[in-house]
Amino acid sequence: RKEVEQDPGPFNVPEGATVAFNCTYSNSASQSFFWYRQDCRKEPKLLMSVYSSGNEDGRFTAQLNRASQYISLLIRDSKLSDSATYLCVVNPRENTPLVFGKGTRLSVIA
Amino acid sequence: DAGVTQSPTHLIKTRGQQVTLRCSPKSGHDTVSWYQQALGQGPQFIFQYYEEEERQRGNFPDRFSGHQFPNYSSELNVNALLLGDSALYLCASSLDPEMNTEAFFGQGTRLTVV
Repeated sequence: RKEVEQDPGPFNVPEGATVAFNCTYSNSASQSFFWYRQDCRKEPKLLMSVYSSGNEDGRFTAQLNRASQYISLLIRDSKLSDSATYLCVVNPRENTPLVFGKGTRLSVIA
Repeated sequence: DAGVTQSPTHLIKTRGQQVTLRCSPKSGHDTVSWYQQALGQGPQFIFQYYEEEERQRGNFPDRFSGHQFPNYSSELNVNALLLGDSALYLCASSLDPEMNTEAFFGQGTRLTVV
């Protein structure tokens, strides 16, 4: 089982739609969780950290389920500018590097 | 405040050659990590440098080596290039070696091996 697995995508959705991405991780002792966004041919940029209590930033909501080793990202009211690849990122334990999923590509269509 | 800068942005090399990629971390950051991102894949960890020493290493052969300088900048060297080394090479800097804080990425160096 891979350390971090994501929905394969791509997701093609109309503007205004709600879309959810899922991610599972294999190491139950994992410490920290993040969603990064990567635009085509650009570097990854932090979208949001994921906390046990769940967190929301505008149209974006991230949730963590430690029991199921599952992370999700919900995007409401999708905009054309949301089109990108969304990377699920896990820090397995202290003093270890970040582990990235393969990413899920989102295309928001007018 | 300059973010993470990498050079060059693009590079074409032939098989068997050697390449050196460079990275300057974000101001105030002392930890530099290098990642390889093949097309359609997520970034794969190569190694991490802190206090001028390699702290962590991913599953990459010895052809991949690096260095960190006293000013925290870093180099990635790849010897005996293979076609499969073609990828986007990303440098990430952070404030602490544990990487529990946000990692900032440079724009990457796109390496093509022909």
